[in-house]
Amino acid sequence: GAGVSQSPSNKVTEKGKDVELRCDPISGHTALYWYRQSLGQGLEFLIYFQGNSAPDKSGLPSDRFSAERTGGSVSTLTIQRTQQEDSAVYLCASSLTLFGADTQYFGPGTRLTVL
Amino acid sequence: GDSVTQMEGPVTLSEEAFLTINCTYTATGYPSLFWYVQYPGEGLQLLLKATKADDKGSNKGFEATYRKETTSFHLEKGSVQVSDSAVYFCALKLTGANNLFFGTGTRLTVIP
Repeated sequence: GAGVSQSPSNKVTEKGKDVELRCDPISGHTALYWYRQSLGQGLEFLIYFQGNSAPDKSGLPSDRFSAERTGGSVSTLTIQRTQQEDSAVYLCASSLTLFGADTQYFGPGTRLTVL
Repeated sequence: GDSVTQMEGPVTLSEEAFLTINCTYTATGYPSLFWYVQYPGEGLQLLLKATKADDKGSNKGFEATYRKETTSFHLEKGSVQVSDSAVYFCALKLTGANNLFFGTGTRLTVIP
């Protein structure tokens, strides 16, 4: 079946602009995660959605970052007033449930470059 | 805090050599442990996992044993192939937590 998809695959933007990154999780997966992979910080957790529960935003690095998940499926990560340190690969993952060691399936990522 | 420490790379091996990538963790409670692999140009894929002490995860000839006494989850393969060239990430997930904690990744290059 289809895996996690993300768009765009690459995004180049100017400092100060807003960007939106999209994630389509695997159909039927109730949990959705955003991570960031950067050279200096490795892989960092950003935000997590589970069903209709309030998201876990504990990993968001600043209030310029926000995310939403519509209808329990597609998610959008928005970065406002982008800074050069936001340059990274943004990864989305989904899992069937929250519990136990459910496998997280990752998308190919969106490479964001802030000039 | 909770963390994963991984052997720093890069690691370069000849084909058919034995591979070990060390991973140790610090966690409150009893985490589940994972190895993820990222092949060139591709996304992260789960390689193997173990959910409790003494469990052994295995896949594609790779193995890792959950050692609670040494808080380790070292990845091993008896005979690597060129196609194993990738970046390998060790990760943990605490019971009741939402997210994975990842190590910094180890780049493996296998030469013919």
